[in-house]
Amino acid sequence: DTAVSQTPKYLVTQMGNDKSIKCEQNLGHDTMYWYKQDSKKFLKIMFSYNNKELIINETVPNRFSPKSPDKAHLNLHINSLELGDSAVYFCATSAGALTYEQYFGPGTRLTVT
Amino acid sequence: AQSVTQLDSQVPVFEEAPVELRCNYSSSVSVYLFWYVQYPNQGLQLLLKYLSGSTLVKGINGFEAEFNKSQTSFHLRKPSVHISDTAEYFCAVSAYGNQFYFGTGTSLTVIP
Repeated sequence: DTAVSQTPKYLVTQMGNDKSIKCEQNLGHDTMYWYKQDSKKFLKIMFSYNNKELIINETVPNRFSPKSPDKAHLNLHINSLELGDSAVYFCATSAGALTYEQYFGPGTRLTVT
Repeated sequence: AQSVTQLDSQVPVFEEAPVELRCNYSSSVSVYLFWYVQYPNQGLQLLLKYLSGSTLVKGINGFEAEFNKSQTSFHLRKPSVHISDTAEYFCAVSAYGNQFYFGTGTSLTVIP
């Protein structure tokens, strides 16, 4: 079983569309994250949820909205997609606070045309 | 606030040679330090971490790192690299109750 899974793996869409990326973990971890990795491999944390509550909300456009229906899922919804949103998005989980190892999903490559 | 600087964006090294990937951090509080590896088209996985205690930390795949508080460094080393070590390496820092920052990454290329 994959510990942290993301769907879809690839997502190609046009500007202005709305899309969602799903993340599921079977590790029983309390904390989940979304990261954005740009074309230069720079990783930036976007959101962090602990027990379904938002604890980190970096300065990202409000077109990005995370949703955590339960502890095992953290989905990322993006409205009105722009060219600059093209990147690889990673979901990650950890057992607790930031001293704990983070487990990453395989990533979703989003291409906006 | 914390920040992480990886001094080398690309490091080519011959197979079986030693390698050091450099990482410096800045923080006004005690920090926790990590090295992650990202193989092509994959997510990141933890190589090793420093939380407290011994400043020499051993990780997976023969890697180790040394925490140097006076120099605010956490350099990653391996005495003999293999082709399979070709990947992107990220240093990261966190402080309790605060955020998790990754460095800009170092691309390690092992040359046969």
